[in-house]
Amino acid sequence: NAGVTQTPKFRILKIGQSMTLQCTQDMNHNYMYWYRQDPGMGLKLIYYSVGAGITDKGEVPNGYNVSRSTTEDFPLRLELAAPSQTSVYFCASSYSTWGNTEAFFGQGTRLTVV
Amino acid sequence: DQQVKQNSPSLSVQEGRISILNCDYTNSMFDYFLWYKKYPAEGPTFLISISSIKDKNEDGRFTVFLNKSAKHLSLHIVPSQPGDSAVYFCAAPLIQGAQKLVFGQGTRLTINP
Repeated sequence: NAGVTQTPKFRILKIGQSMTLQCTQDMNHNYMYWYRQDPGMGLKLIYYSVGAGITDKGEVPNGYNVSRSTTEDFPLRLELAAPSQTSVYFCASSYSTWGNTEAFFGQGTRLTVV
Repeated sequence: DQQVKQNSPSLSVQEGRISILNCDYTNSMFDYFLWYKKYPAEGPTFLISISSIKDKNEDGRFTVFLNKSAKHLSLHIVPSQPGDSAVYFCAAPLIQGAQKLVFGQGTRLTINP
């Protein structure tokens, strides 16, 4: 099982450029999440989805958009990249929303905006 | 507002000894707490959890203790092994019944041979 797969692993963007971070999972999980991790900080929730066609904002949604057309895929879109979006981005999925349910994370995408 | 805090950025422990990682929280409504472990260039992986109605949960070498009156939890690793060297995050679900996690800043654990 591949689990949660993110592409690309690394990317350098210029200010104002756009890009999509891809995330796909093969565990048939309904629940998917996008987090960002800044240096020396914990992960912060950007957006989440409870199923195909349903998304909602997390703690830090500004500057990002998401879509969920299939159970497997949950892409994150940056429309106008800013230096403040330099971070490591993690996609995750879970089979339940029970509080102690394990979330499975991808390997991360390291994004630098210059 | 940092609802989950890990005040020690790093910890160094000798192999075979006990590692104790600490976490404090401010939101008394959290019903679960989870610990995740992260190696460099990898995503976090789930380690162990504890319900707010318990004060201890054990899984092999890993034990988590919860002190609700102090709003404090700790992760004990006994005995510590070199493969335990990683960053450990304490986390809690933002909303009851949901997996939207709020994370602490993390503690980098180094196990010395």
